[in-house]
Amino acid sequence: ETGVTQSPTHLIKTRGQQVTLRCSSQSGHNTVSWYQQALGQGPQFIFQYYREEENGRGNFPPRFSGLQFPNYSSELNVNALELDDSALYLCASSPRGQGHHGYTFGSGTRLTVV
Amino acid sequence: AQSVAQPEDQVNVAEGNPLTVKCTYSVSGNPYLFWYVQYPNRGLQFLLKYITGDNLVKGSYGFEAEFNKSQTSFHLKKPSALVSDSALYFCAVRDPLVGGYQKVTFGTGTKLQVIP
Repeated sequence: ETGVTQSPTHLIKTRGQQVTLRCSSQSGHNTVSWYQQALGQGPQFIFQYYREEENGRGNFPPRFSGLQFPNYSSELNVNALELDDSALYLCASSPRGQGHHGYTFGSGTRLTVV
Repeated sequence: AQSVAQPEDQVNVAEGNPLTVKCTYSVSGNPYLFWYVQYPNRGLQFLLKYITGDNLVKGSYGFEAEFNKSQTSFHLKKPSALVSDSALYFCAVRDPLVGGYQKVTFGTGTKLQVIP
């Protein structure tokens, strides 16, 4: 079975720009969660997608948005980038209703905003 | 609201010695608890989980964790540390009473350094 794949692995953007990060979930997993991990910190929950809808959100502003596609892959979009958005963005997939199995994480996208 | 605390930023242990990485949690109901490990520039890897049942759970790479409800703790342990265990360890909790979605809250992480 394939794991979680994220692209790109690294990205440098200028303040004010927009960015799209992509994630392919593990085979058989229909729920995708996105986390932001700032340097030296634990992952912070951004939001979760199931059946192409956002069904949970953390304490992040509306300029953080996402999509989930019928094949369960997902995108994270961030508008009006700020310097503090520099972080490792992690995608995690899980089977719906079986969150107790734990997440399968991708290797992340390292975003640097300059 | 659910939360996790990892009181130690770093734990140093000699190779071959037992190791413990501490974690305490706060949830409304009975928690789902997890440990993950992160190597440099990588995502998190699942180590083990506690859902219900035996308080001592065994996971990958010889790690185990003990659930203590009265102390609201879920410490990670290993009888004999290896240099290759050096990494960043995260404790996480999910409150199953939070309906609708599977929010998992992570601690701030503990850096484990195993000294040869």
